[in-house]
Amino acid sequence: QVQLQESGPGLVKPSQTLSLTCTVSGGSISSGSYYWSWIRQPAGKGLEWIGRIYTSGSTNYNPSLKSRVTISVDTSKNQFSLKLSSVTAADTAVYYCARAGRYFDWHSWGQGTLVTVSS
Amino acid sequence: QSALTQPASVSGSPGQSITISCTGTSSDVGSYNLVSWYQQHPGKAPKLMIYEGSKRPSGVSNRFSGSKSGNTASLTISGLQAEDEADYYCCSYAGSSTPVVFGGGTKLTVL
Repeated sequence: QVQLQESGPGLVKPSQTLSLTCTVSGGSISSGSYYWSWIRQPAGKGLEWIGRIYTSGSTNYNPSLKSRVTISVDTSKNQFSLKLSSVTAADTAVYYCARAGRYFDWHSWGQGTLVTVSS
Repeated sequence: QSALTQPASVSGSPGQSITISCTGTSSDVGSYNLVSWYQQHPGKAPKLMIYEGSKRPSGVSNRFSGSKSGNTASLTISGLQAEDEADYYCCSYAGSSTPVVFGGGTKLTVL
């Protein structure tokens, strides 16, 4: 059974770039027709999809974040990563990585990691 | 403001059935049978309960069922149990330009 684990700094300064990595275990990130997503959730609020990457490397992003987001994959390390630039306090949230089929049915999730944007 | 509309809260007693609605538009819920439902307990990651409108992942109780009528999808939980108390989110595919939209979440309280 595939498992996902987020990692990265828990504190980022305003205007800097947030960088997170999701490590996949129990299966190859390259196998199967899966999409690997980042999703976030501010404290006490709902879920927001950030973007996803397919096993081929093609990406889709939330239009509201597209100008600041880059998602990439490193198949040699079985990882995919998120970079979110020019962060503000509004980007403070729990960030989740997750695996889905084509239509955003996220069957597998990481435990989530809290990222706080503050000076 | 979320793209999909859910009631903020619902409640029910153990053994009863409840239904959570998720109202979208003809551009998302109404156009695709691709609504998914997630259960989230405090401090935990969401868990997929229903996908493609009415399909249950392996391991999810058959007390959970999904349906759709027009622009509104619904999640029904029968035989309520204390462990069902959680937040529930709906999510729908919405086409290539804005691929996915979420509801704002519904807090289920088991009385």
